Amino acid sequence: GPKVLQIPSHQIIDMGQMVTLNCDPVSNHLYFYWYKQILGQQMEFLVNFYNGKVMEKSKLFKDQFSVERPDGSYFTLKIQPTALEDSAVYFCASSLDEEVFFGKGTRLTVV
Amino acid sequence: GDQVEQSPSALSLHEGTGSALRCNFTTTMRAVQWFQQNSRGSLINLFYLASGTKENGRLKSTFNSKESYSTLHIRDAQLEDSGTYFCAHNNNAPRFGAGTKLSVKP
Repeated sequence: GPKVLQIPSHQIIDMGQMVTLNCDPVSNHLYFYWYKQILGQQMEFLVNFYNGKVMEKSKLFKDQFSVERPDGSYFTLKIQPTALEDSAVYFCASSLDEEVFFGKGTRLTVV
Repeated sequence: GDQVEQSPSALSLHEGTGSALRCNFTTTMRAVQWFQQNSRGSLINLFYLASGTKENGRLKSTFNSKESYSTLHIRDAQLEDSGTYFCAHNNNAPRFGAGTKLSVKP
C-alpha cells in the first residue's frame, strides 16, 4: 500500500529542548495527521492539517506543539520546549480522501 | 476514544481457530477502518469500509452504519496474526478504539 515515511525512527532529546519530527506523506495526499501513542496504550489524535492549515486539534495538542508543511515538503511536528510527558511514539498519517495511511512512527524519548 | 468502543479488550486463540472482534460507535459514522498493530509497532491497514462487507484472505469485516457497529472476523488464525487490532471511525480524522490485543498460540 501507499507509504508514509517518518524520520527519524528514534530520537532522544533533553527536556526543554526543541524537537522536530519529520513526515514524508504519500505524494498525492492532501490531508495530514499526527497521533501520539504511549507504550501499550491507545492511539490518540493530535491534529489534522489541510491546505496549509490546522483543521482540528485535540486537547493533547498543547501550545508547545506546532505543525507545518512548507512548500509541499515534509509535514513536521515541532515541540518546543519538550517535557518528560512528551515521551511517546508519534505517528504521522496522510490521506487523499477518507482512507488514512500511517507511517511507522518516531519514538521520542525526553530525558 | 469515547466514541469508539472495542471488544473484547484481549483475546487468545489457538492456531487454526477463529473469532470476531467488535467495534461499537456511540454516534453515526461515515466509515470505519481496521488496523493491525504488529509487534514492531507498525500499523497495517486491513480494511476501509463505508458500508457492507469486505473480505481479504482469512479476514472479513462488516460495517453496519445504521446500527453503528463494525466487526472483524478472523478465521484459521496464524501466529503472525498476533498483535493489537484497532478500529477507527473516519469522521474528519480517524479516532481509535482502545484496541483488542490478540494472542495466537500454537
